[in-house]
Amino acid sequence: GQQVMQIPQYQHVQEGEDFTTYCNSSTTLSNIQWYKQRPGGHPVFLIQLVKSGEVKKQKRLTFQFGEAKKNSSLHITATQTTDVGTYFCAGTFGNEKLTFGTGTRLTIIP
Amino acid sequence: NAGVTQTPKFQVLKTGQSMTLQCAQDMNHEYMSWYRQDPGMGLRLIHYSVGAGITDQGEVPNGYNVSRSTTEDFPLRLLSAAPSQTSVYFCASSYSRGNNSPLHFGNGTRLTVT
Repeated sequence: GQQVMQIPQYQHVQEGEDFTTYCNSSTTLSNIQWYKQRPGGHPVFLIQLVKSGEVKKQKRLTFQFGEAKKNSSLHITATQTTDVGTYFCAGTFGNEKLTFGTGTRLTIIP
Repeated sequence: NAGVTQTPKFQVLKTGQSMTLQCAQDMNHEYMSWYRQDPGMGLRLIHYSVGAGITDQGEVPNGYNVSRSTTEDFPLRLLSAAPSQTSVYFCASSYSRGNNSPLHFGNGTRLTVT
């Protein structure tokens, strides 16, 4: 089946440093969603990107959808301890179901 | 509104036992689904339903059954538990059949099969 690859698997950063996670697909995505899962919690929807080259911001979080709609990124500026968790991208191919990436686990060193 | 409610939160089974994981949503969502989450493998779709009376298989359906007799409820049945089914299970719903709708997840069920 079609897959969404996500890197890195783990990221440890000092508090205040920036963080980026990337999602890639070999085929064009219809849209991409991003979720955050706190340790011990459940995934929570953050945002959806639909248009080629789309950029959306939520406070310190910046989400991008590539021009070819085959890749996406989530960038966090000046990380805080509240950013700890696992970030998942989830893409849709055509009218198929959502396919989740493997996630990036972010830990913050105070 | 409670959102998506899953029970139980934790369960330990012996190999061969059966059980049902419950999922209920009070948001009148058409779409409901079950995922399992294993370390390093993200969230994998087990079964899904686009409305009452309609179910379909996801990526990893073997060993699991579902039914959708009402809009609100979507139970997941393990007929004969195996150690490979040790995982965290999440139920999720969304308001439309399409793939543009955000998923709302329950709090999860942590299942251990010995």
